[in-house]
Amino acid sequence: EDQVTQSPEALRLQEGESSSLNCSYTVSGLRGLFWYRQDPGKGPEFLFTLYSAGEEKEKERLKATLTKKESFLHITAPKPEDSATYLCAATRQGAAGNKLTFGGGTRVLVKP
Amino acid sequence: GAGVSQSPRYKVAKRGQDVALRCDPISGHVSLFWYQQALGQGPEFLTYFQNEAQLDKSGLPSDRFFAERPEGSVSTLKIQRTQQEDSAVYLCASSVRRAGPGELFFGEGSRLTVL
Repeated sequence: EDQVTQSPEALRLQEGESSSLNCSYTVSGLRGLFWYRQDPGKGPEFLFTLYSAGEEKEKERLKATLTKKESFLHITAPKPEDSATYLCAATRQGAAGNKLTFGGGTRVLVKP
Repeated sequence: GAGVSQSPRYKVAKRGQDVALRCDPISGHVSLFWYQQALGQGPEFLTYFQNEAQLDKSGLPSDRFFAERPEGSVSTLKIQRTQQEDSAVYLCASSVRRAGPGELFFGEGSRLTVL
């Protein structure tokens, strides 16, 4: 059974204090690893897709990386508007590739 | 429309009542997904449509849950004889792609509270 585990569950940062979020996955035949941002009362908003180990993608203060067992979301010099829940999800090759298996999320609070 | 639209945004039901949740995906999007998100948890897959065909319903928790997309656009998730454990946010998402989810565009969700 596919599993995605995120840590830590919650993260409190001071503005400007860089940190990393972890996403460990157990997926047979990974097709893609996704990162989403979710604000309270909203649906998840797409950030990145990573397809192979060693791949990296960046967007503003966020950078996502992928290895064969985990993915990291690095937040560099965060601002209060980066406060949100960050969700990691994986999808596998084959017939089940049309659904995402999500982790539990990391709630990030950035204080000014 | 500009994004995925869901209605109602909030629904309170008495245990045993039937509810229907509507999703209007982005125009032209082939794939449509329903997810269930419990408080403080990540979304969990319920079902997937490609146009009007329901290709995967393995995540539906019981036969009280039923989803349809008769004309390949608007979708309805119906829950019969609601139970307290059905309380959650129900998220709809759509994608322009046929194979694999690619980038999913989510609606804001329908929050169901069963008393």
